[in-house]
Amino acid sequence: DGGITQSPKYLFRKEGQNVTLSCEQNLNHDAMYWYRQDPGQGLRLIYYSQIVNDFQKGDIAEGYSVSREKKESFPLTVTSAQKNPTAFYLCATSRVPDTEAFFGQGTRLTVV
Amino acid sequence: QKEVEQDPGPLSVPEGAIVSLNCTYSNSAFQYFMWYRQYSRKGPELLMYTYSSGNKEDGRFTAQVDKSSKYISLFIRDSQPSDSATYLCAMRKDAGNKLTFGGGTRVLVKP
Repeated sequence: DGGITQSPKYLFRKEGQNVTLSCEQNLNHDAMYWYRQDPGQGLRLIYYSQIVNDFQKGDIAEGYSVSREKKESFPLTVTSAQKNPTAFYLCATSRVPDTEAFFGQGTRLTVV
Repeated sequence: QKEVEQDPGPLSVPEGAIVSLNCTYSNSAFQYFMWYRQYSRKGPELLMYTYSSGNKEDGRFTAQVDKSSKYISLFIRDSQPSDSATYLCAMRKDAGNKLTFGGGTRVLVKP
């Protein structure tokens, strides 16, 4: 079954903890992206990667980290340095040089 | 000022009406334009993709791009209650570049 799998669907974190959100794809897409969505707002880019072992900061990278060791996987770590991490996190992929991006179903992170 | 502006709504229409959505943008370098539909607590789903200026039709959906006015539109004909969702516009400068999103417009189609 082809697609983008984000896990977990819901995640709860205590203040001061790091958590890692998973994004796996079997579409053979080169580019992968992480976006953050807050209630009533659009999507803001956190990090993106166009090839394995390379990634770039987006507009709101502070407090987040990523890795791209495999083409299929682009995990996002929300560190304790992120002061307001409660949000809906979306992973997306696209072929390069194609322009459309396709999204996973998201992970809702809540700090408790 | 945001690069991409979109009225947050909500936009409420009766079933069967035409839904008209739009975005304005400030960066003339944008060339690729997309519309996404997002249901509550779900990931966005790509609806339409257009390149440069012009119209594109797909079933009940029509996308229009006017680069001279920096304005894009999405029309939904014969709207259904299942069209109730948030619609996001997105655009990018060139292939492989990051997408910039509008804030989304919430649409309610009432039976």
